[in-house]
Amino acid sequence: QVHLQQWGAGLLKPSETLSLTCAVYGGSFSGHYWSWIRQPPGKGLEWIGEINHTGGTNSNPSLKSRVTISVDTSKNHVSLNLTSVTAADTAVYYCASMIRGIRVFDFWGLGTLVTVSS
Amino acid sequence: DIQMTQSPSSLSASVGDRVTITCRASQSISTYLNWYQQGPGKAPRLLISSASTLQGGVPSRFSGSGSGTEFTLTLSTLQPEDFATYYCQQGFSSPFTFGQGTKLEIK
Repeated sequence: QVHLQQWGAGLLKPSETLSLTCAVYGGSFSGHYWSWIRQPPGKGLEWIGEINHTGGTNSNPSLKSRVTISVDTSKNHVSLNLTSVTAADTAVYYCASMIRGIRVFDFWGLGTLVTVSS
Repeated sequence: DIQMTQSPSSLSASVGDRVTITCRASQSISTYLNWYQQGPGKAPRLLISSASTLQGGVPSRFSGSGSGTEFTLTLSTLQPEDFATYYCQQGFSSPFTFGQGTKLEIK
């Protein structure tokens, strides 16, 4: 059983950088990919990107130029940075574990609401 | 990107009803199709992976089928706790995309 605990700033101004961290408890850190997914208020889910335990990353082309995902294997932490935020980046951000191979998100964090407002 | 289209977008049903939600992919994704349930204010919960594999702890009234481009999620006998929003997601190729969601409401 994997437990994901996430945190980060919830209110940002336009042009600032969103920073979130996800701590992974339980399970096999090296056995999963670690993803970030977001959900604007009242809307659907958008995959942001993923990282594996060796630091290999893959991001959604729609956000790739602004996204950095990193991993600290000494702490089992995964982090997301999203630069130059605008109101369109207002969303609940989730970290989630993904099973390699079948590419399914099996465990999710509780989510962090990030609001971008001047 | 592979587009995932769910139908209907919303559905009203009663406790005890049988309902089916359809998910269509813009290209063949084999059986790399997963279903999630999301309650209000909650994170999504994985129900079914690989089109038809029920996850541990998920009631057997949930079932999934399909391959290629067309998939279905069936709830055989609706319970009060099943009224939620359901999403499909393709794991065939990156970027991994979700359907727009189907909101299941009590009639």
